[in-house]
Amino acid sequence: GIQVEQSPPDLILQEGANSTLRCNFSDSVNNLQWFHQNPWGQLINLFYIPSGTKQNGRLSATTVATERYSLLYISSSQTTDSGVYFCAVEPFYNAGNMLTFGGGTRLMVKP
Amino acid sequence: DVKVTQSSRYLVKRTGEKVFLECVQDMDHENMFWYRQDPGLGLRLIYFSYDVKMKEKGDIPEGYSVSREKKERFSLILESASTNQTSMYLCASRDSGQVFSGANVLTFGAGSRLTVL
Repeated sequence: GIQVEQSPPDLILQEGANSTLRCNFSDSVNNLQWFHQNPWGQLINLFYIPSGTKQNGRLSATTVATERYSLLYISSSQTTDSGVYFCAVEPFYNAGNMLTFGGGTRLMVKP
Repeated sequence: DVKVTQSSRYLVKRTGEKVFLECVQDMDHENMFWYRQDPGLGLRLIYFSYDVKMKEKGDIPEGYSVSREKKERFSLILESASTNQTSMYLCASRDSGQVFSGANVLTFGAGSRLTVL
């Protein structure tokens, strides 16, 4: 099946710093989503971004489908950004069925 | 907003017990999913269902079964719990009618943390 790798696995930032999280995937996809899991375990969808660029406040994401990677940018980080960020993809050959998740990037933002 | 509710936030069970994890969604979604989350392994799909009484195995179905008798409810069953099933279990749902659109996003429940002693 499709492979999804996220980097870095762990990241510690000082409040106010910027960061870039990366997601590489091994096959063509028709669906790519970024999620944030807060320290209490709740997963929230941040972006649906199979291609192109989207922005939502301090967060933005870019997917370069032809090169099989996606980036999540966090600007002016806040302590509430702490948690785990997951990338999840759905390959074209299995469209409509299931998302495969990467291992996540654990982010800690220090005050 | 779609709401996905998992019946138990924390459970402690003994080895060999039968365990039911319940999940209910309120937006008439066709697709429902059960994942387990373990440190360093991300989320792994156990089972999913694309309609009532329909189910498909995910990546790690061994030791689990599921039931979907009603559209809004998807249950995960551990027939005989074992210590290696100690984990966080996450239920999710989505609308299958918009596979290639921005509405095709997963909505997760709050998770059920299961400890098997």
